[in-house]
Amino acid sequence: EAGVAQSPRYKIIEKRQSVAFWCNPISGHATLYWYQQILGQGPKLLIQFQNNGVVDDSQLPKDRFSAERLKGVDSTLKIQPAKLEDSAVYLCASSLVLANYNEQFFGPGTRLTVL
Amino acid sequence: AQKITQTQPGMFVQEKEAVTLDCTYDTSDQSYGLFWYKQPSSGEMIFLIYQGSYDEQNATEGRYSLNFQKARKSANLVISASQLGDSAMYFCAMRYNQGGKLIFGQGTELSVKP
Repeated sequence: EAGVAQSPRYKIIEKRQSVAFWCNPISGHATLYWYQQILGQGPKLLIQFQNNGVVDDSQLPKDRFSAERLKGVDSTLKIQPAKLEDSAVYLCASSLVLANYNEQFFGPGTRLTVL
Repeated sequence: AQKITQTQPGMFVQEKEAVTLDCTYDTSDQSYGLFWYKQPSSGEMIFLIYQGSYDEQNATEGRYSLNFQKARKSANLVISASQLGDSAMYFCAMRYNQGGKLIFGQGTELSVKP
């Protein structure tokens, strides 16, 4: 079974530029998550999708971050415009069902550096 | 509010010895799940072990076991017979509200010495 795919793996941009990340979850997984992991910290949820609907986006900075999951499969996360503090690893995860016991499978992440 | 606390920023252990990584949590929910993930320098989060709040037995997965003390709200990870490849960041996490987000602790960096 293929794992969660993310691209690009690395991205360097200047502040005020735009950037987009892509995620393809494990086939059949209805729930998709985007996490932000700043260096030295644990991941923090940005947004959670159930199929193509948003379940939780309470910690998404909506003035600059947006995300979509068209057709309930792939997802893109966009930052526009980027700030220095957006430098982080962006992790995508997916799980089969919406339940406490259900493991989340993580992708390799996209490491973003904003100069 | 839900919270995970890992009080050990860094730990050292000798190869082949056992090590315990501490994790305490705070929640008012009765139903929740506790997870441990390993994050090597490559960055990927690797699932290690899961404990449900209603599970009476401590979870075990190979060399990993979870010492679950519900009354104390602790979920410590025990790694037996440490290996050099165990050197990594370890995160404790909690999931509640029937499948909501994972709440992560700050992590513990484990270094295994030969």
